[in-house]
Amino acid sequence: NAGVMQNPRHLVRRRGQEARLRCSPMKGHSHVYWYRQLPEEGLKFMVYLQKENIIDESGMPKERFSAEFPKEGPSILRIQQVVRGDSAAYFCASSPLGTAYNLTFGAGSRLTVL
Amino acid sequence: KQEVTQIPAALSVPEGENLVLNCSFTDSAIYNLQWFRQDPGKGLTSLLLIQSSQREQTSGRLNASLDKSSGRSTLYIAASQPGDSATYLCAVYGNNRLAFGKGNQVVVIP
Repeated sequence: NAGVMQNPRHLVRRRGQEARLRCSPMKGHSHVYWYRQLPEEGLKFMVYLQKENIIDESGMPKERFSAEFPKEGPSILRIQQVVRGDSAAYFCASSPLGTAYNLTFGAGSRLTVL
Repeated sequence: KQEVTQIPAALSVPEGENLVLNCSFTDSAIYNLQWFRQDPGKGLTSLLLIQSSQREQTSGRLNASLDKSSGRSTLYIAASQPGDSATYLCAVYGNNRLAFGKGNQVVVIP
């Protein structure tokens, strides 16, 4: 069991480019959560997805950010037209049930915007 | 909105001393509380999970207590070792999401 896999681990983008972060949940897990950790800040909830459904996106910025979890393949967090303030670590977590406790976290994707 | 606060933000202790890390939360309507460890540039490792009906959980040198009514949890690490150096995160589960504190950054000096 490879755990929650996130890639890329590190991503550098220039302002205005797009960033795509991928998350493959643990085998058998159909619930995915994305969190963002800004420098010197705690982890903040962004979005909760099940296969082909967005369950709760109340933590997502209203513009430029989107997330999906297709029937096949990894969950994708997409950030369009990145700005320096998007520089952060983005963590994905998965669970087998529709409850957010006892999540298994990935190692994170660290986005740097130049 | 749930607010989670961890104090102290950072601390250094000599090897062998006991560590006491504090976490407080504003909304006592939680289902459980979890302590994580985060190493620099790494992901999160779950250390202890305390259900809302429980008062404490223990694993090896780690002991976590929960006082739901007062909105507090404490993580005790006995006989600290240099390998315990990390950031410790407290997270409470409610409203179908985890709310995290900013962490206690710990350095254990050999």
